[in-house]
Amino acid sequence: AQSVSQHNHHVILSEAASLELGCNYSYGGTVNLFWYVQYPGQHLQLLLKYFSGDPLVKGIKGFEAEFIKSKFSFNLRKPSVQWSDTAEYFCAVEPNFGNEKLTFGTGTRLTIIP
Amino acid sequence: GAGVSQTPSNKVTEKGKYVELRCDPISGHTALYWYRQSLGQGPEFLIYFQGTGAADDSGLPNDRFFAVRPEGSVSTLKIQRTERGDSAVYLCASSPDSETQYFGPGTRLLVL
Repeated sequence: AQSVSQHNHHVILSEAASLELGCNYSYGGTVNLFWYVQYPGQHLQLLLKYFSGDPLVKGIKGFEAEFIKSKFSFNLRKPSVQWSDTAEYFCAVEPNFGNEKLTFGTGTRLTIIP
Repeated sequence: GAGVSQTPSNKVTEKGKYVELRCDPISGHTALYWYRQSLGQGPEFLIYFQGTGAADDSGLPNDRFFAVRPEGSVSTLKIQRTERGDSAVYLCASSPDSETQYFGPGTRLLVL
């Protein structure tokens, strides 16, 4: 069975700082990878996803993530955060053979200080 | 267009009672998923429907939990003899292509 680790439980940054949130997964085969975001009071929304091809994927709101297969990692980055990025961020993995089941990490709470 | 909707948004019940949670997927989405999110955790998979049939129910914690999707659209998650440990946010998601899942706002269940 697959698993996902997000080691940063709570990250606090000032506006304009650069962001990197860690995500590592454990699974022996090919995977699809996702980052979801949950803004305060809102439902989970897809930020970006990786299925195949270019390991550097760009998502909405200036976020990007890089899949490093050798490290089983899919870290989320943003060069300059805004106060509106305050939210909870979840990394998720799905085996790439169509079993459809997302396995989520425990999430990282990001707080941006104006 | 309309997203995934879930009703009720909040449900308070007493231990031992039966509850039903409803999910209305995005129109035309053939795949539907239920997840459960406990405080401080990420969502955990419960069950997945492709059309009317449960393609994978391996995440249901025990036989008190059951879900149906009789017409391939709306789904109901049913919990019998609720326990305090069932308190969580129950999330529904739907997908048109089994690639990207779109989540609803969730039902917050509190078992007293």
